[in-house]
Amino acid sequence: QSVLTQPPSASGTPGQRVTISCSGSSSNIGSNYVYWYQQLPGTAPKLLIYRNNQRPSGVPDRFSGSKSGTSASLAISGLRSEDEADYYCAAWDDSLRGLVFGGGTKLTVL
Amino acid sequence: QVQLVQSGAEVKKPGASVKVSCKASGYTFTSYDINWVRQATGQGLEWMGWMNPNSGNTGYAQKFQGRVTITRNTSISTAYMELSSLRSEDTAVYYCARGHYDSTAFDPWGQGTLVTVSS
Repeated sequence: QSVLTQPPSASGTPGQRVTISCSGSSSNIGSNYVYWYQQLPGTAPKLLIYRNNQRPSGVPDRFSGSKSGTSASLAISGLRSEDEADYYCAAWDDSLRGLVFGGGTKLTVL
Repeated sequence: QVQLVQSGAEVKKPGASVKVSCKASGYTFTSYDINWVRQATGQGLEWMGWMNPNSGNTGYAQKFQGRVTITRNTSISTAYMELSSLRSEDTAVYYCARGHYDSTAFDPWGQGTLVTVSS
């Protein structure tokens, strides 16, 4: 049971816009930054979004992050086949005094 | 380029310890935190702890307190994660990751080290 809650799966067709949600509480998302990671099959995770909505250099602007209260979202526009991957949200938890991850969302491009 | 290269796969018996290394290159090792994250097969990511390579200060997830130790050797730009009292549930891929834009923005990650615990 993960501290942050994500839907286990999401899907879309090429060109579509897809959003993945991440729900937490006042001790994590409500008071700290949210991060998003993409994990392609068989590879290490890659930083996609940091500090709620900042993109590292090299990450396409098709990827965007937002946060409101104790929830956050990752949006992917202009969906492409290479976006098929697992996506994880993460945030520091003040009560646990550690970083917590969501359970991950498997994105399928139909 | 910035890179983290981890040591190879390990097979350990229950009750034993494992020490995984993470060699940094392409940047000043002491300038960024190193974190360790693990992932059991088919499961999600689980944060284990962090270390400031400059000071040696560490912080561990409550779940692993007393069982995990993160250390470093600055002369060879290498961080280590040692996990003791291994059990079958510790079978996982272990990743090191650099805290880049801030301490919890992990970029890049090492390639991962598979640790198998089996009798």
